[in-house]
Amino acid sequence: GQNIDQPTEMTATEGAIVQINCTYQTSGFNGLFWYQQHAGEAPTFLSYNVLDGLEEKGRFSSFLSRSKGYSYLLLKELQMKDSASYLCAVRVRRQLTFGSGTQLTVLP
Amino acid sequence: GAVVSQHPSRVICKSGTSVKIECRSLDFQATTMFWYRQFPKQSLMLMATSNEGSKATYEQGVEKDKFLINHASLTLSTLTVTSAHPEDSSFYICSARDSASGGPSSYEQYFGPGTRLTVT
Repeated sequence: GQNIDQPTEMTATEGAIVQINCTYQTSGFNGLFWYQQHAGEAPTFLSYNVLDGLEEKGRFSSFLSRSKGYSYLLLKELQMKDSASYLCAVRVRRQLTFGSGTQLTVLP
Repeated sequence: GAVVSQHPSRVICKSGTSVKIECRSLDFQATTMFWYRQFPKQSLMLMATSNEGSKATYEQGVEKDKFLINHASLTLSTLTVTSAHPEDSSFYICSARDSASGGPSSYEQYFGPGTRLTVT
């Protein structure tokens, strides 16, 4: 089976840095995705990691350690609009299995 | 970037009726599309994988006779919720992979905007 764990909720202050962790145990691994989802909207793609290491894209970075079954999403210079749910998803063959999502609240 | 549309965005139907939701890839071809369901404050749950020209693959616990999927062309997949009941009320989201692209981008799924189904 597939098991993906993320914290349910996190709170941070505008301008700060926040790290959202994701651990996974899956039968196979073909990459890990991070998506952002605002309430009532579809997810939007943030990052994709298939090799170990850090991928940086503007204010967002994502890290992967395949041996540890671990990833994190790092958000820098937080803005109010970053308040959303962040979904970790593992690709096994052609399918994505999603974690339960981390609801991030950015406070002024 | 790749765009996926869904229609309708919202639908309210009476219990016992059927509802069809369309998912279209607007500027790319998709041999594979995915249908997800999301209940409030929960994550996306894969319902089925839609394959162009062949039968869909359903996840465990998803009734194939209740959720009919048709993928008749490379740009269109439809999900029909038959004999809908209030417990089928949910947010239904489709996604599609670009069949032609290579490299890392070929792994990305592009999501539609979702369809909010309310069954009364």
